[in-house]
Amino acid sequence: KAGVTQTPRYLIKTRGQQVTLSCSPISGHRSVSWYQQTPGQGLQFLFEYFSETQRNKGNFPGRFSGRQFSNSRSEMNVSTLELGDSALYLCASSGHRTDEPEKLFFGSGTQLSVL
Amino acid sequence: GNSVTQMEGPVTLSEEAFLTINCTYTATGYPSLFWYVQYPGEGLQLLLKATKADDKGSNKGFEATYRKETTSFHLEKGSVQVSDSAVYFCALSASGTGFQKLVFGTGTRLLVSP
Repeated sequence: KAGVTQTPRYLIKTRGQQVTLSCSPISGHRSVSWYQQTPGQGLQFLFEYFSETQRNKGNFPGRFSGRQFSNSRSEMNVSTLELGDSALYLCASSGHRTDEPEKLFFGSGTQLSVL
Repeated sequence: GNSVTQMEGPVTLSEEAFLTINCTYTATGYPSLFWYVQYPGEGLQLLLKATKADDKGSNKGFEATYRKETTSFHLEKGSVQVSDSAVYFCALSASGTGFQKLVFGTGTRLLVSP
């Protein structure tokens, strides 16, 4: 079956703009998590959604937000972009509600560059 | 809090050399430990895991043993190939969190030359 799909693959924005990234999970998966990957910080957890509800959030400012739709597709939004927001944003989906990271499937990510 | 520390890269090896990538962790309770691999232009893939002390995870010739006494989970492979060139991430998952939050190390880039 199709894997986790993230769009767009690349994005270039300028400071102060906002951006929306999209993630389509594997068919049947109801959990979607988002991670930010940077060379200096590695991967950091942003938030996780399950059945349209945000279950947990990482230590990111309120400029970072997300949502999940009834078909489990998820979007994350970053407002008032800063240079430091340049990163690879990874989405991961799972069909399991319990804490089973080995059942996470990652997308290829959206590479965001803020100029 | 929970954290993972990995050796900095890049690690540069010749084909058929022995690989070790060090990983140590700090966690409350008894976490599960993982190694993920990220090939160029792709997302992360689970390479192997261990869920309790003294467990050995293995896959594709890679191995790692959960050492509670040294809080370590070092990745090893006896003979690397060019196709193993990638970024490797050590990660932990704290038990009882109720959701799939992984804490990752910063990643170690492996470059294997023919």
